[in-house]
Amino acid sequence: GESVGLHLPTLSVQEGDNSIINCAYSNSASDYFIWYKQESGKGPQFIIDIRSNMDKRQGQRVTVLLNKTVKHLSLQIAATQPGDSAVYFCAENSGYSTLTFGKGTMLLVSP
Amino acid sequence: GAGVSQSPSNKVTEKGKDVELRCDPISGHTALYWYRQSLGQGLEFLIYFQGNSAPDKSGLPSDRFSAERTGGSVSTLTIQRTQQEDSAVYLCASSLSPQGRTQYFGPGTRLTVL
Repeated sequence: GESVGLHLPTLSVQEGDNSIINCAYSNSASDYFIWYKQESGKGPQFIIDIRSNMDKRQGQRVTVLLNKTVKHLSLQIAATQPGDSAVYFCAENSGYSTLTFGKGTMLLVSP
Repeated sequence: GAGVSQSPSNKVTEKGKDVELRCDPISGHTALYWYRQSLGQGLEFLIYFQGNSAPDKSGLPSDRFSAERTGGSVSTLTIQRTQQEDSAVYLCASSLSPQGRTQYFGPGTRLTVL
């Protein structure tokens, strides 16, 4: 059977689709948020960040949305490509020394 | 420029042995962090160094774990008397800011304790 800890939420999409990865954060005092992408065997790679005085920020093919009312963060990836397949983590910071990471979502992109 | 580097990339050791993991942060970054990532899990904070200040050790799981940062640059994470549950990927990150804002990660060291 499946081991505890190996079960990550998984989003499966077709190449070219738009992907939306969601994250609920816990600390209402958090004022800075980051999305990281982690490919197999590699360290997390910075994708995009947003401060709490914004509700939307766009990068190249990616958009982050922040809803402070419900403490929800989402990452939208446009025209998803096979190279986008990875585990995506959200992280929050409240001005304290370090980031608090979410559990991660695995994105699988089929050609 | 060069990113965060870590060595070794893989380490296999026997239960009870001590291991040392090394991290070279990005040049000029004053803050350095160690995390642990078990299979299929998120990142577990271990320890944080900022400049010459006393490190934040609040995430270290036991007194078998310790870390040093020499000259405000290179850091070594030491695990004494390793146990099988210490098997994980150990990630190092560095940042310009002292407040844990954007952190840049190394590739990690995969530790296997037999």
